[in-house]
Amino acid sequence: AQKITQTQPGMFVQEKEAVTLDCTYDTSDQSYGLFWYKQPSSGEMIFLIYQGSYDEQNATEGRYSLNFQKARKSANLVISASQLGDSAMYFCAMGPNAGKSTFGDGTTLTVKP
Amino acid sequence: GAVVSQHPSWVICKSGTSVKIECRSLDFQATTMFWYRQFPKQSLMLMATSNEGSKATYEQGVEKDKFLINHASLTLSTLTVTSAHPEDSSFYICSANLGTADYQPQHFGDGTRLSIL
Repeated sequence: AQKITQTQPGMFVQEKEAVTLDCTYDTSDQSYGLFWYKQPSSGEMIFLIYQGSYDEQNATEGRYSLNFQKARKSANLVISASQLGDSAMYFCAMGPNAGKSTFGDGTTLTVKP
Repeated sequence: GAVVSQHPSWVICKSGTSVKIECRSLDFQATTMFWYRQFPKQSLMLMATSNEGSKATYEQGVEKDKFLINHASLTLSTLTVTSAHPEDSSFYICSANLGTADYQPQHFGDGTRLSIL
């Protein structure tokens, strides 16, 4: 079974600063994918970034980067230069497991002006 | 642009009414779609996996007769909440994988907010 743990229910960050959202995972699979999604208050789920278990380099997508530490089973999301529009709920997920993804409980990020 | 379209986005109806929610894949075929339920400030709870041309696979604890899923075509899956009651009020969201390669991210519809009075 796969499990995702996000230990930060809520985080605050000052506008223009960087913030790290924590994610640890557990799986017995040798090959897997790790994903981060953003859910604004409007409800839609937006895919942000992906890291494969065999990827040696950390994934980056614009202001988003994934700090992947395989030995520690962590896949933290780093958002640089935070913007007010980054305020949302963020979910870490992994998959596939029989085609399905496993989601963490989420972290609510609030960016302060 | 959106690759998964979900309708309606908001439903308010009386107790006892059945409500149908549609999830369409745009410009791609989705043999598998997923239906989730989400309560405020909580994670997504997988309800069922919708399989084109066959019966849906429900997660443990999800009532099959309450939440009817039909996936009659490669681009459309529907979730019908039958005889809805206030406790069925929630946010429902569907998703599909774009392509068949491993480790594809899920693409989500915009969700449906269901309120049963």
